[in-house]
Amino acid sequence: QVQLQESGPGLVKPSETLSLTCAVSSFSISSGYHWGWIRQPPGKGPEWIGNIFHSGTSYFNPSLRSRVTISVDTSRNQFSLKLTSVTAADTAVYYCVREAYDILSNWGQGTLVTVSS
Amino acid sequence: SSELTQDPAVSVALGQTVRLTCQGDSLRSFFASWYQQKPGQAPVLVVYGKNTRPSGIPDRFSGSRSGNTASLTITGAQAEDEGDYYCNSRDTSGDHWVFGGGTRVTVL
Repeated sequence: QVQLQESGPGLVKPSETLSLTCAVSSFSISSGYHWGWIRQPPGKGPEWIGNIFHSGTSYFNPSLRSRVTISVDTSRNQFSLKLTSVTAADTAVYYCVREAYDILSNWGQGTLVTVSS
Repeated sequence: SSELTQDPAVSVALGQTVRLTCQGDSLRSFFASWYQQKPGQAPVLVVYGKNTRPSGIPDRFSGSRSGNTASLTITGAQAEDEGDYYCNSRDTSGDHWVFGGGTRVTVL
């Protein structure tokens, strides 16, 4: 069973860049599927951020596209998220996910990122 | 704002049946997935596709679709079914994903 684990700073200052990494185990990213990020602000529903294929092809939520970068490192079997110019509105639990056909089949446990000075 | 619309809250008596709905244009082309979320936990997939349950999900959960509306039915609701339920599908372009705003289920 594929497993995903997010890691990164839990506190980011306003205007700085949020950086998270998702380590994938029991499945090689190079084998296929899209790999993505979802966030959930406190008390609100999930929001899809974007995804990437192992080849590097990626798609982003139009509302975040200008601030988001997603990259993949097949040698380390992990992928990463960068979100620039963060504000308090970016405070959320961030999940990494595997997209299998038309479902978000596997989720990490999530990591809370708080934007505060 | 979500491109999938869900009722904010619903309550159901213990052992009774409740149906949650999710509306959106993308559902005419793509099946919805349904997630259950309890406080402090990651969402858990309970139904996807035409009506498929992942391993370990009780058969009291079932899904269906009609036109632009997807439904999740809990037949014989149990106390442990309380939580927030989110629907999700690809958007109309097929390249992005959208979520509903969620329905909070209370079992009385």
